[in-house]
Amino acid sequence: QSVLTQPPSVSAAVGQKVTISCSGSSSNIRNNYVSWYQQLPGTAPKLLIYDNNKRPSGIPDRFSGSKSGTSATLDITGLQTGDEADYYCGAWDSSLSAHVFGTGTEVTVL
Amino acid sequence: EVQLVQSGAEVKQPGESLKISCRGSGYSFTNYWIAWVRQMPGKGLEWMGIIYPGDSRTTYSSSFQGHVTFSADKSISTAYLQWSSLKASDTALYYCARFPCSGGSCYSEYWGQGALVTVSS
Repeated sequence: QSVLTQPPSVSAAVGQKVTISCSGSSSNIRNNYVSWYQQLPGTAPKLLIYDNNKRPSGIPDRFSGSKSGTSATLDITGLQTGDEADYYCGAWDSSLSAHVFGTGTEVTVL
Repeated sequence: EVQLVQSGAEVKQPGESLKISCRGSGYSFTNYWIAWVRQMPGKGLEWMGIIYPGDSRTTYSSSFQGHVTFSADKSISTAYLQWSSLKASDTALYYCARFPCSGGSCYSEYWGQGALVTVSS
């Protein structure tokens, strides 16, 4: 059972914006950095955001991350059909001394 | 170019042992943690733990402690995940990932392609 909670699914039309939330606690999100991952169908996950809001090289600026208190958010703007995937947040949990992933969110492009 | 290449799919019977591998290239293998992540069929990502190939230090998630073993051979830039006695519930995709972790900044940066393990009688 994950300690980071995400909505099971979100959807929006092509070109619109979706926001995915990730809710945690003081032992993970509040006091550590958040990362986000995209998993396209049938492929390995890919790092989208690290250290709350940094993008690895090659990740378009349509993807942005933020954090406030015990919650984090991934925004995807200019939604494209190729963005249909599962998205996961992640963070180190200081109480567990382990990394934890969120429950995952399926993004559907209408 | 950083790459993590995992061994192929495995089909095993309950009670059998198994060791899968993850070979790193394009970077200094001994200087980064390697994480193992499980994804059961149709389910989300589960962090199993990490190994530091430089000195084979390990940290296991409590959910996996005692059920799996991490090891590494730095001479061939390869990390391993092994089971001594597989169960049907070990059926899953297993990923390795380069896992920089320092001062609360910990994330899976580069991922292997995944190794499917099927345990069935």
